[in-house]
Amino acid sequence: QSVLTQPPSLSAAPGQKVTISCSGSSSNIESNYVSWYHQLPGTAPKLLIYDNNKRPSGIPDRFSGSKSGTSATLGITGLHTGDEADYYCATWDDSLSAVVFGGGTKLTVL
Amino acid sequence: EVQVVESGGALVQPGGSLRLTCEAFGFTLSRNYMTWVRQAPGKGLEWVSVIFVGGGTYYADSVKDRFTISRDTYKDTMYLQMNSLRADDTAVYYCARSPQYCGSVSCLDYWGQGTPVTVSS
Repeated sequence: QSVLTQPPSLSAAPGQKVTISCSGSSSNIESNYVSWYHQLPGTAPKLLIYDNNKRPSGIPDRFSGSKSGTSATLGITGLHTGDEADYYCATWDDSLSAVVFGGGTKLTVL
Repeated sequence: EVQVVESGGALVQPGGSLRLTCEAFGFTLSRNYMTWVRQAPGKGLEWVSVIFVGGGTYYADSVKDRFTISRDTYKDTMYLQMNSLRADDTAVYYCARSPQYCGSVSCLDYWGQGTPVTVSS
């Protein structure tokens, strides 16, 4: 059972937009920055969003992040088959004194 | 080019010990927060431990008192000493950098390729 809750799976058509939610609590998301990652099978995770809504160099603006209260959201527009991956949110938890990850969301583009 | 490279993963018996190594290339390891994350087969990401710039350390409850994170400043290398290993420690172990430009230690911009640890008799 993950501290951060994500939908296990989502699907959307090519060209469409999808949002992935990440629900936490006052000790984690509400009081700390959120990061987002995607992971292709057999590869290391890749940073997509940091500090709630910032994109590292090289990440296209099709990816966006937002946070409100105890929840955070990753948005992806203009979906293509290359976006099929597992997506994870992460943040620091003040009560646990630990980084916590969401359980991951498997995105299918079909 | 910035890169982190893990090594040391192996097959080990329950109750055994193993030391993982993470080498930093293209940056100074001690000037960044450095983290270990693991992923059990078919499962999600699980944070393991972090070492701060000042040397402070934190651990996941699941590994506390069994694992120790450390670094060698002169070698730009980080370690994870794993003792009293259990079957549920079986995973690919990644090291990752949390850069100075990030506001949170959950921000990990460079990851290694991972090193597999299997705990089995």
